[in-house]
Order: sequence, then structure tokens, then C-alpha cells
Amino acid sequence: GAGVSQSPRYKVAKRGQDVALRCDPISGHVSLFWYQQALGQGPEFLTYFQNEAQLDKSGLPSDRFFAERPEGSVSTLKIQRTQQEDSAVYLCASSLTISTEAFFGQGTRLTVV
Amino acid sequence: GESVGLHLPTLSVQEGDNSIINCAYSNSASDYFIWYKQESGKGPQFIIDIRSNMDKRQGQRVTVLLNKTVKHLSLQIAATQPGDSAVYFCAEILGGATNKLIFGTGTLLAVQP
Repeated sequence: GAGVSQSPRYKVAKRGQDVALRCDPISGHVSLFWYQQALGQGPEFLTYFQNEAQLDKSGLPSDRFFAERPEGSVSTLKIQRTQQEDSAVYLCASSLTISTEAFFGQGTRLTVV
Repeated sequence: GESVGLHLPTLSVQEGDNSIINCAYSNSASDYFIWYKQESGKGPQFIIDIRSNMDKRQGQRVTVLLNKTVKHLSLQIAATQPGDSAVYFCAEILGGATNKLIFGTGTLLAVQP
């Protein structure tokens, strides 16, 4: 499809396990964002890429969270040693440029047990 | 910290009625606002946006009003339909290098047939 694709759609992890969440943005989109959405809350900013450069990672909650976009297209959000408080929906969004509309993927629902 | 919030967490309306969803923002420096619709299991979907140099903007069945004096946004949906049932978020953009979205907590719109 032509939209933002995220995988997996659902992930159950045991506490302490490492996870990797993938985002395929819309082809040609320069800007890529990761957001975390807790149940019943609005999405909260995690990090931003412009092409392969991570320009803002101020929203990453701890050093267990790491994101990369090595070739300026696909991005991966990695969470090490997952904790229960990491349970949330992780949303990826991309936009053609920094000032144009951002399109969101369906998200990955992470449950840490 | 500064944030965007909503007055009403749940709004129930009859099909065919008009809906009004309200939002207060606290960052007086924000100059761009967006309303998103989020259906269950999906990512946020852009509805309509407005810049701070405007006080009203209309789309198809939707109107956004901005009152900068009291830092208030509203989303009006005309002739509400069952397909409008979703959670609605307002978001402000803090400009600069990132253009990250700051979301409120959302209002659930329930349309009764």
C-alpha cells in the first residue's frame, strides 16, 4: 500500500526482553517521527528523523530506548530490557517535508508481561 | 510543562446533530494547530488544521475555530454520522527544527443512531 506500514502489529514481550519495532514510511518522505501512546492518552513524541539524521530524541524516556534510520527510509525503534511501563502503542508518522502533513501508521501495540 | 488539553473526555450525540469538541492549549507561542481523528486500532488521521493568523477554517462538514485570546480551539462537525464515532485529538506544533506534535488527551465522540 501507499501508507505508513508498521510491524509487528502486536508484540508481547516478557519483562527484560529486548524488542525491535519497524516502520516503513511513505516512499520519498524525508521526515519520520515516533510517538508513544498509552491507553486512553494522546500520543507523546519520542524522536524525529530528517532522512538518516536523528535531529531530536528529547522524548525518549530512558537510555533503554534507541531509534535508527540508517538509510533514510525504514526506521527501527528498539527497546532494551523492557519494563511493564513500556506497554503502549508505538506510532510512526512520516511527512514529505518538515512542514507538510504527517501520515500515521496503525501502530504496534506492545504488551510487556 | 506546557500541554494541550481537552475539556470533555466523552461526548454523546444523536445522528444528524452537530457536534462541538473543545480544546485548550497553553503555549501562546504555538502557531499551528491540527485536529486528528483516531478510530479503534488505527493511527491518528488528519482532519483539519489552522494557523494562528486565522480564527476560522472550514472543511467538508468540519469547521475549526481558534480563539487566541483565551487559547481555545474547537472542532465542529455538522450532521454527525455514525462513522464519525472515534477519539478526537487536538494537537499543537512547536516549530523549529522538529515540528513535533503535542497532543491533548482526546475526546471520545459517540454517535447514537
